[in-house]
Amino acid sequence: ILNVEQSPQSLHVQEGDSTNFTCSFPSSNFYALHWYRWETAKSPEALFVMTLNGDEKKKGRISATLNTKEGYSYLYIKGSQPEDSATYLCAPYETSGSRLTFGEGTQLTVNP
Amino acid sequence: DGGITQSPKYLFRKEGQNVTLSCEQNLNHDAMYWYRQDPGQGLRLIYYSQIVNDFQKGDIAEGYSVSREKKESFPLTVTSAQKNPTAFYLCASKKKGYPAGELFFGEGSRLTVL
Repeated sequence: ILNVEQSPQSLHVQEGDSTNFTCSFPSSNFYALHWYRWETAKSPEALFVMTLNGDEKKKGRISATLNTKEGYSYLYIKGSQPEDSATYLCAPYETSGSRLTFGEGTQLTVNP
Repeated sequence: DGGITQSPKYLFRKEGQNVTLSCEQNLNHDAMYWYRQDPGQGLRLIYYSQIVNDFQKGDIAEGYSVSREKKESFPLTVTSAQKNPTAFYLCASKKKGYPAGELFFGEGSRLTVL
């Protein structure tokens, strides 16, 4: 089983704070790194899919970076809002097996 | 609208009974996946299928079975051999052979064993 680690497990921030989470994964057999946001009572939705070392993607106040050589990705949220409250999941896509293995997620709560 | 439909949303089962969770997609995706979530844990892969009439075991396949007779459908059967079946089950699909393609998820099925 691929070892995917996310930290922290949970995070409480105040509205307006900026925050970041980490996803670490084995760098061998790596092809792509997926980030998903999972809000309560909804289905997980894709935020980013990154493939290249040094890749950086941005969607509004949320951005992500990727280091494939050392096997980690950071997700940043600038100026957190209550609607950002969700569980953020990362999943590397392996070249062998064609599957995604999810980390346990980071549960973010943004207090107004 | 294209999407993934899971049913039922909630299901109660007595111990010793098999139950089947339905997953249908109209996104024309070849690859389909079943994940399980337990409280405080991430999504764990049960089974996945890259093409019709073919599927592979994931990390926690014991006590589960699947079929893939049609591209659109990937039902999951939770058998009586599954020791801790109470969980939330998510079905997902993506384009085959496109690792950078995102997963699309259904709304999930919550199974409770009484």
